[in-house]
Amino acid sequence: GENVEQHPSTLSVQEGDSAVIKCTYSDSASNYFPWYKQELGKRPQLIIDIRSNVGEKKDQRIAVTLNKTAKHFSLHITETQPEDSAVYFCAAALFGNEKLTFGTGTRLTIIP
Amino acid sequence: DAGITQSPRYKITETGRQVTLMCHQTWSHSYMFWYRQDLGHGLRLIYYSAAADITDKGEVPDGYVVSRSKTENFPLTLESATRSQTSVYFCASSVGGIVGGEQYFGPGTRLTVT
Repeated sequence: GENVEQHPSTLSVQEGDSAVIKCTYSDSASNYFPWYKQELGKRPQLIIDIRSNVGEKKDQRIAVTLNKTAKHFSLHITETQPEDSAVYFCAAALFGNEKLTFGTGTRLTIIP
Repeated sequence: DAGITQSPRYKITETGRQVTLMCHQTWSHSYMFWYRQDLGHGLRLIYYSAAADITDKGEVPDGYVVSRSKTENFPLTLESATRSQTSVYFCASSVGGIVGGEQYFGPGTRLTVT
């Protein structure tokens, strides 16, 4: 089955700087890659996703890039703000197979 | 987000007891999912359902039973709880599975097995 590795497990950045979280996946057939944000004590929420026919997707300060050859995808957050502090999870899945495989999460702390 | 609810929110039970976690959604989403969240493991899929009376195993189904007689409800039963099932359980729903896009998560149930 699919295996998703996520790095780093913790990340601290100064407010206003950029943060990058990287995930690698094992199944080359996977074609859907969402990112979820989970604030302390809250439920996970989708923040951005990318499909394998696209190399990059942006939504305001958040972007995701996908390298299918290397089987990795990354979350980029620019101009970080205190409200970006949370745990971020990447995931991978194959259309038609409803099983999202999640990474182990990255705890992002924004230092004011 | 009030469209998907879980009950109870907190539960303490003893080893060997049966416990049922409830999940209810008001959106008439076809797909529903159960995940467990443990430190160091992220979210792992236990079971999912594509429609009423259709369920399938996820990554970690052992020790769990699900049913889905109505579209809006997807209960998860631990038939004989073990300490290793101490976890936070999240229910989720989506319109059409992975192709249908976003999974909406419930608030979670924190289960402790003593």
